[in-house]
Amino acid sequence: QITLKESGPTLVKPTQTLTLTCTFSGFSLSTSGVGVGWIRQPPGKALEWLALIYWNDDKRYSPSLKSRLTITKDTSKNQVVLTMTNMDPVDTATYYCAHAGSGWDGGYYFDYWGQGTLVTVSS
Amino acid sequence: SYVLTQPPSVSVAPGKTARITCGGNNIGSKSVHWYQQKPGQAPVLVIYYDSDRPSGIPERFSGSNSGNTATLTISRVEAGDEADYYCQVWDSSSDHPLVFGGGTKLTVL
Repeated sequence: QITLKESGPTLVKPTQTLTLTCTFSGFSLSTSGVGVGWIRQPPGKALEWLALIYWNDDKRYSPSLKSRLTITKDTSKNQVVLTMTNMDPVDTATYYCAHAGSGWDGGYYFDYWGQGTLVTVSS
Repeated sequence: SYVLTQPPSVSVAPGKTARITCGGNNIGSKSVHWYQQKPGQAPVLVIYYDSDRPSGIPERFSGSNSGNTATLTISRVEAGDEADYYCQVWDSSSDHPLVFGGGTKLTVL
């Protein structure tokens, strides 16, 4: 049974750095083809993909946020960490981590999601 | 980056068929995945690789993809299907490889 859970601050001040941790179970991030991604959703708005880390430590980022994002993994702890610098009120959103599965074309989709964590950016 | 276009809303009566579209340039050449999101909940994968259903997803949910449009079809719609639906593609050749559509609110009348 695959589960994921996000943790981190619920409130950050503008210009601060946000650090979110995704703790998962039921799979290993050292298994070939596996990935973990981060997705966010501002209140009342659509999903936005942020970053993805692969089993081989390769990483992909949303180009619009790439300069502010860093994704890392700790395979021994079954954790993935996302940091986002220079937070702004527009970054207020629910942040999700998700298990990324892949198929015959090497493409990725999210088959298991965490419950999400609401992060508010305000002074 | 690749753009996916969904209608903001679709309405359907119970027992009827709902079709939610996802438009993109030559989307038929890409694999499309669909998510259902109910209020206050995390998204749930309902269709992957255009038409495959994860275990536990009713057969009423089906998908197709051709040309410039992918479609999520929900047959015999139930009140519990009311939710937001998002399409997603993976474009490995792009610097923005993972894209979500803007979402469609399905209302069951």
